[in-house]
Amino acid sequence: GAVVSQHPSRVICKSGTSVKIECRSLDFQATTMFWYRQFPKKSLMLMATSNEGSKATYEQGVEKDKFLINHASLTLSTLTVTSAHPEDSSFYICSASGGGASYEQYFGPGTRLTVT
Amino acid sequence: DAKTTQPPSMDCAEGRAANLPCNHSTISGNEYVYWYRQIHSQGPQYIIHGLKNNETNEMASLIITEDRKSSTLILPHATLRDTAVYYCIVRSMDTGRRALTFGSGTRLQVQP
Repeated sequence: GAVVSQHPSRVICKSGTSVKIECRSLDFQATTMFWYRQFPKKSLMLMATSNEGSKATYEQGVEKDKFLINHASLTLSTLTVTSAHPEDSSFYICSASGGGASYEQYFGPGTRLTVT
Repeated sequence: DAKTTQPPSMDCAEGRAANLPCNHSTISGNEYVYWYRQIHSQGPQYIIHGLKNNETNEMASLIITEDRKSSTLILPHATLRDTAVYYCIVRSMDTGRRALTFGSGTRLQVQP
């Protein structure tokens, strides 16, 4: 099946700094990518949807100036957490959907962010 | 997309079949039933999906009732590695590439 990778798998940063998470589709072109956040023992919550070459669409309650999403190519989307705070510590997961008739979503392995 | 209801947790003995139920009583005719699972600290993994017929693949079987208001995911011979949270998701293909919406899922614990 299609493979989606994320980098880094885990990151620790200090409060007030920014951290970038990459999501790559390795063997297909992803016209749409999704970013989710998951707190301990909770379900995945959608943060935003990004389409290649256009601005991301954010879910209600997600600050677009804090969570910057760039989807500049058909194989790469990045999520930058700006001015991170301890409450941003979470598991961030991306998924990618290919073009054509395929609506299937393929998930990355996730990135564990810890803000100290 | 229609809402789904799953039991919060289930136990299963290793080697036995695990039957995970899902209620989706408001499902409409063009909506598919998808199952994903999430092993601890990993991304969700696709298992199987179906519209109205029963489906089987190398991982599991999906049994959908005739009225389509409920379904059961069957793991025929559960192993310890099947311990995970299982999500039942109803999704219309008409929504195109809209994101999957995850509910609370069922936490399956396979016991040795």
